[in-house]
Amino acid sequence: DQQVKQNSPSLSVQEGRISILNCDYTNSMFDYFLWYKKYPAEGPTFLISISSIKDKNEDGRFTVFLNKSAKHLSLHIVPSQPGDSAVYFCAAYGGSNYKLTFGKGTLLTVNP
Amino acid sequence: DAGVIQSPRHEVTEMGQEVTLRCKPISGHNSLFWYRQTMMRGLELLIYFNNNVPIDDSGMPEDRFSAKMPNASFSTLKIQPSEPRDSAVYFCASSRQGGGREDEQFFGPGTRLTVL
Repeated sequence: DQQVKQNSPSLSVQEGRISILNCDYTNSMFDYFLWYKKYPAEGPTFLISISSIKDKNEDGRFTVFLNKSAKHLSLHIVPSQPGDSAVYFCAAYGGSNYKLTFGKGTLLTVNP
Repeated sequence: DAGVIQSPRHEVTEMGQEVTLRCKPISGHNSLFWYRQTMMRGLELLIYFNNNVPIDDSGMPEDRFSAKMPNASFSTLKIQPSEPRDSAVYFCASSRQGGGREDEQFFGPGTRLTVL
């Protein structure tokens, strides 16, 4: 039973355009959400996070939006760059301080 | 600064053999996590240590899996006997404190295990 779902296995965008990666969750206990980025042959690295008391968090080209009523969050990358090509994982905390629940990831390809 | 170190990076073994994966967390971090990534289930937490003590092993799939952390700078994940369905990428991660929303987990590069 996937509590964090990333329904798009892959996404392809042109350099300079916006990339939007989506994530849905089912567990109402989740109160903190994170996005991780993963390059081939490397481990995931933290990208950006958002608390459930906020609906938006921005860090440079990366913005995460949270819609609690819809149990949906999205990651916007503007403008997209070829170096952004990676797998992006959505993850969530809820009920414990250490257990991260991950989605299966979305492969983003940014074409030059 | 060195990040989380895992060895081996790749392991190919035959069904029934014992497999040992190793992890060196970042110096000064007192929490360590073992994760497994598969196509079917994605990334899932297997076991969490804090100050070398196993706190939550509810994600360990079967008794064939065991993990130890004999000291603050070393942990092992052992599978005995291994089965083809154990084939996956195993990640180790560490964090500075005891977990928490803003206690970032730093991941190692992973060990790709193939059980024939």
